[in-house]
Amino acid sequence: DGGITQSPKYLFRKEGQNVTLSCEQNLNHDAMYWYRQDPGQGLRLIYYSQIVNDFQKGDIAEGYSVSREKKESFPLTVTSAQKNPTAFYLCASRGPGNNQPQHFGDGTRLSIL
Amino acid sequence: RKEVEQDPGPFNVPEGATVAFNCTYSNSASQSFFWYRQDCRKEPKLLMSVYSSGNEDGRFTAQLNRASQYISLLIRDSKLSDSATYLCVVNIGTGANNLFFGTGTRLTVIP
Repeated sequence: DGGITQSPKYLFRKEGQNVTLSCEQNLNHDAMYWYRQDPGQGLRLIYYSQIVNDFQKGDIAEGYSVSREKKESFPLTVTSAQKNPTAFYLCASRGPGNNQPQHFGDGTRLSIL
Repeated sequence: RKEVEQDPGPFNVPEGATVAFNCTYSNSASQSFFWYRQDCRKEPKLLMSVYSSGNEDGRFTAQLNRASQYISLLIRDSKLSDSATYLCVVNIGTGANNLFFGTGTRLTVIP
């Protein structure tokens, strides 16, 4: 089945540690996105990528980094500089054209140990 | 002013009721609109896309009012399984970063 796969489902981070969240899609979509969602809040854009080897900061990029070496993959690293990383992280992708919706992976829940 | 605004609710309705939510948007150039459903601690899932005046899918109807700049979602014959948060998403302009999310409306259907 085509879709977006995020892993792991749950992740725990120690103080000072970097962690990487995986996002893989087999929908052949060029555009991919990372969002953060805090309890009872809306989605906030961290980074997005329109094409391989290109990515742009979203509204809350500080403390995060991404790479886009392959079309299928858009991993997100939560660095030690992100002081409040506990949240639900959602990856999305989107087909070509300006009027397409986004499709989401099932998310990674990150907590601090 | 936010690009997309929704009443956060909660809307508590009895089973079988009809309920409607509105979503207002600020940019008259908005071209397409989406309703997503998000269950607690789950990812948003696409419910409906609206590209012209509206769309209907079973018990769900989305209507677009361009003059007043809002989109509505109507749910008829509410089921317990309709309990979720409903997110409104508006497409404005061009480029990959042209989707704006509302913060969602919480619906609880009561037996």
